[in-house]
Amino acid sequence: GENVEQHPSTLSVQEGDSAVIKCTYSDSASNYFPWYKQELGKGPQLIIDIRSNVGEKKDQRIAVTLNKTAKHFSLHITETQPEDSAVYFCAASTGGGADGLTFGKGTHLIIQP
Amino acid sequence: GAVVSQHPSRVICKSGTSVKIECRSLDFQATTMFWYRQFPKKSLMLMATSNEGSKATYEQGVEKDKFLINHASLTLSTLTVTSAHPEDSSFYICSAREGQGIQTQYFGPGTRLLVL
Repeated sequence: GENVEQHPSTLSVQEGDSAVIKCTYSDSASNYFPWYKQELGKGPQLIIDIRSNVGEKKDQRIAVTLNKTAKHFSLHITETQPEDSAVYFCAASTGGGADGLTFGKGTHLIIQP
Repeated sequence: GAVVSQHPSRVICKSGTSVKIECRSLDFQATTMFWYRQFPKKSLMLMATSNEGSKATYEQGVEKDKFLINHASLTLSTLTVTSAHPEDSSFYICSAREGQGIQTQYFGPGTRLLVL
């Protein structure tokens, strides 16, 4: 089955700086890669996703890049703000039939004021 | 749009009792719903996939007789934890997907289960 590795487990950045979280996946059949933000005691919130036919996608301060050859994808957050502090999860799916998501272990992003 | 609700948000029960958790898609029809389990400071683990009108598909290691899943309509799936034990205490989260070929999953707010 799919295996998703996520790094780093904790990331502390100064407010206004950029943050980058990286994930690798094992199943070359995976074609859908979402990123979720989870605040304490809440369910994950989809912040951006990318499909395998696209190399990069951007939404305001958030961007995701995908390298299918190397089987890795990354989340980039620019101009970080205190409200960006949360746990971020990457995930992968083959998207076939009723496939669930395989999640990375999460990155605790801390924005230092 | 794309709102998923769960009820209850938290529940405390005695060991040996059963607990039902509801997952609803509020503004879309979900042909597929998923149930995940999350331990403190850990990632989400897929438990089962639920398709409307058919039996759920369970992940390896998940006891189907202990975690009963019903997806009776396009907007409702339920997870029943039968004969709950303290080790079943966890954060249970559902997600919903709108239709075949649509991969985006929207998550509910989760249900915190504590078994005494």
